[in-house]
Amino acid sequence: SQQGEEDPQALSIQEGENATMNCSYKTSINNLQWYRQNSGRGLVHLILIRSNEREKHSGRLRVTLDTSKKSSSLLITASRAADTASYFCATVSSSNTGKLIFGQGTTLQVKP
Amino acid sequence: DGGITQSPKYLFRKEGQNVTLSCEQNLNHDAMYWYRQDPGQGLRLIYYSQIVNDFQKGDIAEGYSVSREKKESFPLTVTSAQKNPTAFYLCASSTRDRVRQASNQPQHFGDGTRLSIL
Repeated sequence: SQQGEEDPQALSIQEGENATMNCSYKTSINNLQWYRQNSGRGLVHLILIRSNEREKHSGRLRVTLDTSKKSSSLLITASRAADTASYFCATVSSSNTGKLIFGQGTTLQVKP
Repeated sequence: DGGITQSPKYLFRKEGQNVTLSCEQNLNHDAMYWYRQDPGQGLRLIYYSQIVNDFQKGDIAEGYSVSREKKESFPLTVTSAQKNPTAFYLCASSTRDRVRQASNQPQHFGDGTRLSIL
């Protein structure tokens, strides 16, 4: 079963603009992770945020987590054409910590 | 450089045939995973292994089998019982934290094997 659901499914912006992607999930989580996938490649880990954290930063990336709303957002600031990729959130359930459950992903296109 | 190597990059299966996808890691990771990705979709877990000689079924294990005889290797066999095997298969690995939970650690992915039916 899919735990995380991303919104929007697709996003197209101009270089230099900010991109925001949202992830909602259904059950209590231990942590939430964001990954990036370039076309035809494997996934690359971006950020892991634990259930007791509210915000994390990494370079141009900012992730927030609201456990009361069961949602997370990924903000990419000052986007570049090289940020064009699919972005996935993945959750680790509090009740089954053995595995990640991935959402369907958001496809981001950054136009130069 | 440390990493995960999946081979082959492309694989074709004939009807009734079993095929094996290779996954090797030199990251000294305890945990390894196999995922299936269909076009425009997220990843679904097939099998995972937290330690050598032990593995668990994921959400879509039917028609697949695995072995974990060595820490570095986690091959996936797509059997003839898997009637819709066409997909992109991704292997991943991770460390385990102090309470031995692999899921609290980021996963490192290979570049995938694309399997098609002839």
